[in-house]
Amino acid sequence: DTGVSQDPRHKITKRGQNVTFRCDPISEHNRLYWYRQTLGQGPEFLTYFQNEAQLEKSRLLSDRFSAERPKGSFSTLEIQRTEQGDSAMYLCASSPSFLWDRQETQYFGPGTRLLVL
Amino acid sequence: GNSVTQMEGPVTLSEEAFLTINCTYTATGYPSLFWYVQYPGEGLQLLLKATKADDKGSNKGFEATYRKETTSFHLEKGSVQVSDSAVYFCALIIQGAQKLVFGQGTRLTINP
Repeated sequence: DTGVSQDPRHKITKRGQNVTFRCDPISEHNRLYWYRQTLGQGPEFLTYFQNEAQLEKSRLLSDRFSAERPKGSFSTLEIQRTEQGDSAMYLCASSPSFLWDRQETQYFGPGTRLLVL
Repeated sequence: GNSVTQMEGPVTLSEEAFLTINCTYTATGYPSLFWYVQYPGEGLQLLLKATKADDKGSNKGFEATYRKETTSFHLEKGSVQVSDSAVYFCALIIQGAQKLVFGQGTRLTINP
């Protein structure tokens, strides 16, 4: 059983460039989440998918950010026209079908660390 | 709104010392509570969880009890090891919501 994987693990880019990150969830997990973690802070929610549908987006997800999960499996997070303030760790997580009476856990990948110069 | 407040770090202890990391929360609904751990260079790993009041989560010698009356979920371990050095995050999720809300994290360093 493989865990959540993310690619690349590190990305350095220049301000104004576009970047794209990929997340592969645990197989058979139908929910996928993106979080952002800045230095010294806890992760903050960005968005989540149930299968291929994007069901919630945080106000943190500006118009320069777009996330997709076209076939309900892997997901991509794209940042256009990167800014220095986008420098952070981008975390992906997945979970199986949500049943409140058996609260399911989100399983996190290793993250993609982005540095915008 | 929903929020989690953790004990300020960093925390430095000697091996075999007793550990407590305080966590309190504010929630608009009924939360489940979690402790996640982040070892250097790695992603977040679930350490333990509790889904209702008075539940005790435990794993690897760590424990935390869901206290609704004090809105707390303090993490404890009786005898820490050098390998416990990491950043610990308290988090909640509200019934019907999908996002985890995290505290700011507490960096723990254990000296031999």
